[in-house]
Amino acid sequence: DTEVTQTPKHLVMGMTNKKSLKCEQHMGHRAMYWYKQKAKKPPELMFVYSYEKLSINESVPSRFSPECPNSSLLNLHLHALQPEDSALYLCASSGAMETQYFGPGTRLLVL
Amino acid sequence: GENVEQHPSTLSVQEGDSAVIKCTYSDSASNYFPWYKQELGKRPQLIIDIRSNVGEKKDQRIAVTLNKTAKHFSLHITETQPEDSAVYFCAGLGNDYKLSFGAGTTVTVRA
Repeated sequence: DTEVTQTPKHLVMGMTNKKSLKCEQHMGHRAMYWYKQKAKKPPELMFVYSYEKLSINESVPSRFSPECPNSSLLNLHLHALQPEDSALYLCASSGAMETQYFGPGTRLLVL
Repeated sequence: GENVEQHPSTLSVQEGDSAVIKCTYSDSASNYFPWYKQELGKRPQLIIDIRSNVGEKKDQRIAVTLNKTAKHFSLHITETQPEDSAVYFCAGLGNDYKLSFGAGTTVTVRA
């Protein structure tokens, strides 16, 4: 099973709202990732968790706050976002063979 | 870190013809090169990958070749079908464990 799931599928939020994106995988993968993707562009890495610890933060603004409650779950907490943060947010996971499997994404619109 | 360049940015082919997408990379230590297909509104989906100890890999109508000396790798799709229409991303895994993506190729298969 190479399934990564994400909720919600779509999210509309105002600039003062607080919301969270959720990601789950049950493949026993020890690395999980958050990416941001704008239309017709490749995914841009935001954060990497390895064995539930944050190992890479690609200088992401603090209005994005990742959390890894356990080895299967990854959250992205959003607060005071800007309209330019509107994008597709993709979660991915990988095991020992390095192959990253992507979830379906959350399409975020910030008004 | 790794830098991956991808060409062409768009490719239109007649159904039944072949399509070739080429990528170059900068980090000679990179050893893993996946290809992702992303249909409109969907997640990037791994279609084939290659490791640096292999020169070519095939999976039905899809093949990938790797030239380590020249630091380039290519995706070949034979007997193209309308369902092959999508955006294709190449990527390379650098020794910083980050996946660097090419800019993407929009493939259109004309019926």
